[in-house]
Amino acid sequence: DSGVTQTPKHLITATGQRVTLRCSPRSGDLSVYWYQQSLDQGLQFLIQYYNGEERAKGNILERFSAQQFPDLHSELNLSSLELGDSALYFCASSAGDSETQYFGPGTRLLVL
Amino acid sequence: AQKVTQAQTEISVVEKEDVTLDCVYETRDTTYYLFWYKQPPSGELVFLIRRNSFDEQNEISGRYSWNFQKSTSSFNFTITASQVVDSAVYFCALSEFYNQGGKLIFGQGTELSVKP
Repeated sequence: DSGVTQTPKHLITATGQRVTLRCSPRSGDLSVYWYQQSLDQGLQFLIQYYNGEERAKGNILERFSAQQFPDLHSELNLSSLELGDSALYFCASSAGDSETQYFGPGTRLLVL
Repeated sequence: AQKVTQAQTEISVVEKEDVTLDCVYETRDTTYYLFWYKQPPSGELVFLIRRNSFDEQNEISGRYSWNFQKSTSSFNFTITASQVVDSAVYFCALSEFYNQGGKLIFGQGTELSVKP
C-alpha cells in the first residue's frame, strides 16, 4: 500500500459527460501528479500541483482540469468525454520535486 | 529532449532464469533521477528504485540488481532466479532536476512473463 488513495476505482460513462477523479496524497506529501495510461500513448504526465498551486503542465487536454485543495487532496475533472479518453488515470504524490513519486491504485475510466 | 527507451516489449523466461530489462535514456541535464516501477496484473504502479545521476554505484536488493552506466546512458535492471510473482510490466522513468516539477518521463514498458 503506497499510502495514496484514489476514488473511484472504476468509472463507466458516456461520451459528452463530465467526471471527477479524486486523489488523496500520502501524509506529509505536498506534490500531487496526475498521469494517464493508455495502450497507444503509454504513461503520460498530465499535471502537477504543489501545496495548492499548479507547478507543471504536460500533455493535458483543454477539456481536462485539476486542482489541489487546502487539505492537499486533488481532483482531476474530465469534461466533454470522448471514446479516446478511456484510460487508467493515476495520481502520485511526493514530498517535493524529483523526490520519489508513490502512485495510487488508479481510476479506470471507460467512455462508451 | 528527454526520452526513455525500453526496446524490449516482451520477455518470456522460465522460473529460476536470470533476466535483464534494458533501459536507455536521453537528457541534456547533468542532474537527473532514474526510476524503475513495477506494474503487476492488478494494475498498480509499485516503486522499486530511485538513483541520482551522480551515483553510479550498482545496487542490489535481494534478487533485484541495477546497473547504471552514464557512459552509455543506460540503467538496466536484472532479476536473478526469477519467480512467477515477478511477472509484470516494468517501467523505467526519468526525472530532470531542472525540469520544473520533476515530472516522470516513462519508457514504454517491458512485459515480463515468468513461466513455472
